[in-house]
Amino acid sequence: AQTVTQSQPEMSVQEAETVTLSCTYDTSESDYYLFWYKQPPSRQMILVIRQEAYKQQNATENRFSVNFQKAAKSFSLKISDSQLGDAAMYFCAFSGATNKLIFGTGTLLAVQP
Amino acid sequence: DTGVSQNPRHKITKRGQNVTFRCDPISEHNRLYWYRQTLGQGPEFLTYFQNEAQLEKSRLLSDRFSAERPKGSFSTLEIQRTEQGDSAMYLCASSPSWAGANEQYFGPGTRLTVT
Repeated sequence: AQTVTQSQPEMSVQEAETVTLSCTYDTSESDYYLFWYKQPPSRQMILVIRQEAYKQQNATENRFSVNFQKAAKSFSLKISDSQLGDAAMYFCAFSGATNKLIFGTGTLLAVQP
Repeated sequence: DTGVSQNPRHKITKRGQNVTFRCDPISEHNRLYWYRQTLGQGPEFLTYFQNEAQLEKSRLLSDRFSAERPKGSFSTLEIQRTEQGDSAMYLCASSPSWAGANEQYFGPGTRLTVT
């Protein structure tokens, strides 16, 4: 069975600084997708970035980028130039052959002004 | 494109009552998913549809839970004889089914409180 682990329950970053959120996963599948979702307080889940396992190049979306290490089964999210609006719960998620998402327990990111 | 919508947004019910939630996916998406999220946890998969066919159900989905997507458009999730442990946020998501498009787009959720 696939599992997703986020070992940082909470993180804090100063506005304009860079922060990295960690995620590891376990799977025996070779073809899969990884995602980072953002869930602001009392607001809906928003897709931040996705990575296809067959792509060696790390995905980037504006200030968000990932470090995908397939052999190590690691998928971290880097947020550059942090903004107050980045404060949220961030979930790492895996999707394989069954298409359903398997989520980690989340990392609560606080952004200090 | 109005995104995924869910109704109601909040539901308070007494233990033992039945409740039904509705999800309207993004119009061109033929996959629809239901998840349950409890406080401080990530969402857990419940079930998913491709068009009107229910392709997978989680073991979390007890006999009291049933989901339908009769015409391959909106979906309903019904919980019969609610229990306090059913209190959670119920999330719906949709995605297209063409190759390479595995990302799911979530609705705002229905928060269920069972008293």
